[in-house]
Amino acid sequence: SQQGEEDPQALSIQEGENATMNCSYKTSINNLQWYRQNSGRGLVHLILIRSNEREKHSGRLRVTLDTSKKSSSLLITASRAADTASYFCATVSSGNTGKLIFGQGTTLQVKP
Amino acid sequence: EPEVTQTPSHQVTQMGQEVILRCVPISNHLYFYWYRQILGQKVEFLVSFYNNEISEKSEIFDDQFSVERPDGSNFTLKIRSTKLEDSAMYFCASRSTSGGAYNEQFFGPGTRLTVL
Repeated sequence: SQQGEEDPQALSIQEGENATMNCSYKTSINNLQWYRQNSGRGLVHLILIRSNEREKHSGRLRVTLDTSKKSSSLLITASRAADTASYFCATVSSGNTGKLIFGQGTTLQVKP
Repeated sequence: EPEVTQTPSHQVTQMGQEVILRCVPISNHLYFYWYRQILGQKVEFLVSFYNNEISEKSEIFDDQFSVERPDGSNFTLKIRSTKLEDSAMYFCASRSTSGGAYNEQFFGPGTRLTVL
Protein backbone atom coordinates (compact mmCIF):
# COMPACT_ATOMS: atom_id res chain seq x y z
CA SER A 1 0.00 0.00 0.00
CA GLN A 2 1.05 3.59 -0.48
CA GLN A 3 1.92 6.17 2.16
CA GLY A 4 -1.26 7.48 3.75
CA GLU A 5 -3.88 4.95 2.83
CA GLU A 6 -7.31 5.59 4.24
CA ASP A 7 -10.15 3.24 4.87
CA PRO A 8 -12.95 3.03 4.27
CA GLN A 9 -12.90 4.67 0.85
CA ALA A 10 -16.51 5.71 1.31
CA LEU A 11 -18.70 6.04 4.37
CA SER A 12 -22.38 6.89 4.60
CA ILE A 13 -24.02 7.62 7.95
CA GLN A 14 -27.03 9.36 9.44
CA GLU A 15 -26.81 12.78 11.03
CA GLY A 16 -25.95 12.45 14.70
CA GLU A 17 -23.91 9.28 14.28
CA ASN A 18 -20.15 9.11 14.71
CA ALA A 19 -17.82 8.66 11.75
CA THR A 20 -14.46 6.95 12.02
CA MET A 21 -11.84 7.04 9.31
CA ASN A 22 -8.52 5.23 9.42
CA CYS A 23 -5.19 5.98 7.84
CA SER A 24 -2.08 3.85 7.51
CA TYR A 25 1.35 4.94 6.40
CA LYS A 26 4.69 3.33 5.72
CA THR A 27 7.61 5.58 6.63
CA SER A 28 8.57 7.31 9.87
CA ILE A 29 6.92 10.68 10.30
CA ASN A 30 7.29 14.00 12.06
CA ASN A 31 3.55 14.54 12.12
CA LEU A 32 0.29 13.46 10.55
CA GLN A 33 -2.39 15.89 9.48
CA TRP A 34 -6.02 15.56 8.47
CA TYR A 35 -7.60 17.74 5.81
CA ARG A 36 -11.14 18.11 4.55
CA GLN A 37 -12.11 18.80 0.96
CA ASN A 38 -15.61 19.79 -0.04
CA SER A 39 -16.52 18.76 -3.55
CA GLY A 40 -14.42 20.63 -6.10
CA ARG A 41 -12.96 22.94 -3.50
CA GLY A 42 -9.65 23.48 -1.72
CA LEU A 43 -8.26 21.60 1.24
CA VAL A 44 -8.95 22.77 4.75
CA HIS A 45 -6.63 21.80 7.57
CA LEU A 46 -8.45 20.08 10.43
CA ILE A 47 -5.91 18.85 12.92
CA LEU A 48 -2.22 17.99 13.29
CA ILE A 49 -0.82 15.33 15.57
CA ARG A 50 2.90 15.02 16.15
CA SER A 51 4.76 11.72 16.33
CA ASN A 52 5.21 12.01 20.12
CA GLU A 53 1.46 12.50 20.67
CA ARG A 54 -1.09 9.71 20.94
CA GLU A 55 -4.37 11.55 20.92
CA LYS A 56 -5.64 15.01 20.15
CA HIS A 57 -9.02 16.69 20.28
CA SER A 58 -10.46 19.68 18.47
CA GLY A 59 -14.17 20.33 18.92
CA ARG A 60 -16.01 17.29 17.56
CA LEU A 61 -12.80 15.82 16.15
CA ARG A 62 -10.64 13.25 17.85
CA VAL A 63 -7.45 11.99 16.28
CA THR A 64 -5.33 9.13 17.48
CA LEU A 65 -1.87 8.13 16.35
CA ASP A 66 -0.16 4.78 16.83
CA THR A 67 3.38 5.06 15.53
CA SER A 68 4.12 1.41 16.31
CA LYS A 69 1.35 0.38 13.91
CA LYS A 70 1.90 3.37 11.63
CA SER A 71 -1.76 4.22 11.75
CA SER A 72 -4.07 7.03 12.69
CA SER A 73 -7.80 7.45 13.06
CA LEU A 74 -10.09 10.44 12.77
CA LEU A 75 -13.34 10.35 14.71
CA ILE A 76 -16.07 12.91 14.02
CA THR A 77 -18.69 12.80 16.73
CA ALA A 78 -22.33 13.81 16.37
CA SER A 79 -21.97 14.25 12.63
CA ARG A 80 -23.89 16.90 10.70
CA ALA A 81 -24.92 17.11 7.07
CA ALA A 82 -22.32 19.88 6.70
CA ASP A 83 -19.59 17.32 7.50
CA THR A 84 -20.24 15.72 4.10
CA ALA A 85 -16.86 15.95 2.34
CA SER A 86 -13.73 13.98 1.51
CA TYR A 87 -11.22 13.55 4.30
CA PHE A 88 -7.52 13.03 3.69
CA CYS A 89 -4.69 12.13 5.96
CA ALA A 90 -1.29 13.50 5.04
CA THR A 91 2.09 12.72 6.53
CA VAL A 92 5.14 14.89 6.96
CA SER A 93 8.55 13.34 7.42
CA SER A 94 11.46 14.93 9.22
CA GLY A 95 14.40 16.04 7.16
CA ASN A 96 12.46 17.22 4.19
CA THR A 97 10.74 20.43 3.30
CA GLY A 98 7.48 19.75 5.06
CA LYS A 99 5.82 18.40 1.94
CA LEU A 100 2.57 16.59 2.55
CA ILE A 101 2.11 13.04 1.30
CA PHE A 102 -1.60 12.44 0.96
CA GLY A 103 -3.64 9.29 1.08
CA GLN A 104 -6.48 8.42 -1.24
CA GLY A 105 -9.08 9.86 1.09
CA THR A 106 -12.39 8.80 2.58
CA THR A 107 -15.58 10.21 1.12
CA LEU A 108 -18.06 10.82 3.92
CA GLN A 109 -21.74 11.34 3.30
CA VAL A 110 -23.89 12.42 6.23
CA LYS A 111 -27.57 12.04 5.54
CA PRO A 112 -29.94 14.49 7.23
CA GLU B 1 -8.44 35.92 8.31
CA PRO B 2 -5.56 35.73 5.84
CA GLU B 3 -5.95 33.23 3.04
CA VAL B 4 -4.14 31.87 0.02
CA THR B 5 -5.63 33.02 -3.27
CA GLN B 6 -5.25 31.52 -6.72
CA THR B 7 -6.04 32.75 -10.21
CA PRO B 8 -7.60 31.84 -12.50
CA SER B 9 -10.15 29.49 -10.97
CA HIS B 10 -10.44 27.64 -14.29
CA GLN B 11 -8.06 27.61 -17.24
CA VAL B 12 -8.75 25.91 -20.54
CA THR B 13 -5.86 25.55 -22.95
CA GLN B 14 -4.85 23.69 -26.07
CA MET B 15 -2.27 20.94 -25.89
CA GLY B 16 1.21 22.33 -26.40
CA GLN B 17 0.38 25.77 -25.07
CA GLU B 18 2.06 27.38 -22.09
CA VAL B 19 0.06 28.18 -18.98
CA ILE B 20 0.90 30.17 -15.89
CA LEU B 21 -1.00 29.52 -12.70
CA ARG B 22 -0.82 32.24 -10.09
CA CYS B 23 -0.93 32.16 -6.34
CA VAL B 24 -0.70 34.74 -3.60
CA PRO B 25 0.43 33.00 -0.41
CA ILE B 26 -0.23 34.32 3.07
CA SER B 27 2.02 37.31 3.53
CA ASN B 28 4.24 36.23 6.40
CA HIS B 29 4.67 32.65 5.23
CA LEU B 30 8.05 31.50 4.02
CA TYR B 31 7.40 28.03 2.56
CA PHE B 32 5.39 27.60 -0.61
CA TYR B 33 4.13 24.50 -2.34
CA TRP B 34 2.32 23.34 -5.45
CA TYR B 35 0.21 20.19 -5.48
CA ARG B 36 -2.05 18.73 -8.09
CA GLN B 37 -5.10 16.50 -7.98
CA ILE B 38 -6.20 14.62 -11.06
CA LEU B 39 -9.96 14.11 -11.02
CA GLY B 40 -10.92 11.34 -8.64
CA GLN B 41 -7.37 10.78 -7.44
CA LYS B 42 -5.35 11.81 -4.46
CA VAL B 43 -3.49 15.06 -4.01
CA GLU B 44 0.13 14.81 -5.21
CA PHE B 45 3.09 16.94 -4.22
CA LEU B 46 4.80 18.77 -7.06
CA VAL B 47 7.33 21.19 -5.62
CA SER B 48 8.33 23.15 -2.56
CA PHE B 49 9.96 26.58 -2.60
CA TYR B 50 11.87 28.38 0.11
CA ASN B 51 14.25 31.31 0.18
CA ASN B 52 13.69 31.99 -3.52
CA GLU B 53 14.65 28.57 -4.73
CA ILE B 54 13.21 25.11 -5.19
CA SER B 55 13.88 23.07 -2.08
CA GLU B 56 12.32 19.81 -3.23
CA LYS B 57 10.50 18.51 -6.28
CA SER B 58 8.73 15.31 -7.19
CA GLU B 59 9.19 13.08 -10.21
CA ILE B 60 6.12 14.72 -11.73
CA PHE B 61 7.87 18.09 -11.73
CA ASP B 62 9.90 17.60 -14.91
CA ASP B 63 11.52 20.14 -17.23
CA GLN B 64 8.11 21.28 -18.46
CA PHE B 65 7.37 22.79 -15.07
CA SER B 66 8.90 25.82 -13.41
CA VAL B 67 8.09 27.99 -10.43
CA GLU B 68 8.87 31.57 -9.71
CA ARG B 69 8.32 34.20 -7.07
CA PRO B 70 8.55 37.26 -9.29
CA ASP B 71 7.81 39.75 -6.53
CA GLY B 72 7.12 39.81 -2.83
CA SER B 73 3.63 38.44 -3.10
CA ASN B 74 3.06 36.21 -6.14
CA PHE B 75 4.12 32.59 -6.57
CA THR B 76 3.62 31.11 -10.02
CA LEU B 77 3.64 27.68 -11.62
CA LYS B 78 4.41 27.56 -15.33
CA ILE B 79 3.81 24.60 -17.58
CA ARG B 80 5.70 25.21 -20.82
CA SER B 81 4.00 22.81 -23.19
CA THR B 82 0.85 21.33 -21.74
CA LYS B 83 -0.16 17.73 -22.28
CA LEU B 84 -3.56 16.14 -21.96
CA GLU B 85 -2.43 14.42 -18.77
CA ASP B 86 -1.70 17.79 -17.15
CA SER B 87 -5.44 18.29 -16.78
CA ALA B 88 -5.98 18.49 -13.04
CA MET B 89 -6.74 20.77 -10.14
CA TYR B 90 -3.61 22.62 -9.06
CA PHE B 91 -3.36 23.78 -5.47
CA CYS B 92 -0.97 26.28 -4.02
CA ALA B 93 -0.17 26.12 -0.32
CA SER B 94 1.95 28.05 2.12
CA ARG B 95 3.07 27.67 5.69
CA SER B 96 4.83 29.71 8.30
CA THR B 97 7.77 28.69 10.42
CA SER B 98 6.15 29.71 13.68
CA GLY B 99 4.44 27.22 15.95
CA GLY B 100 6.86 24.38 15.35
CA ALA B 101 8.52 22.57 12.53
CA TYR B 102 6.46 21.18 9.69
CA ASN B 103 3.25 22.79 10.81
CA GLU B 104 -0.02 23.05 8.95
CA GLN B 105 -0.28 24.25 5.39
CA PHE B 106 -2.87 26.67 4.12
CA PHE B 107 -4.29 25.82 0.73
CA GLY B 108 -5.74 28.02 -1.94
CA PRO B 109 -9.05 27.16 -3.64
CA GLY B 110 -7.24 25.68 -6.64
CA THR B 111 -7.06 26.26 -10.38
CA ARG B 112 -8.78 23.71 -12.55
CA LEU B 113 -6.64 23.21 -15.66
CA THR B 114 -8.27 21.59 -18.66
CA VAL B 115 -6.02 20.68 -21.58
CA LEU B 116 -7.83 19.99 -24.84
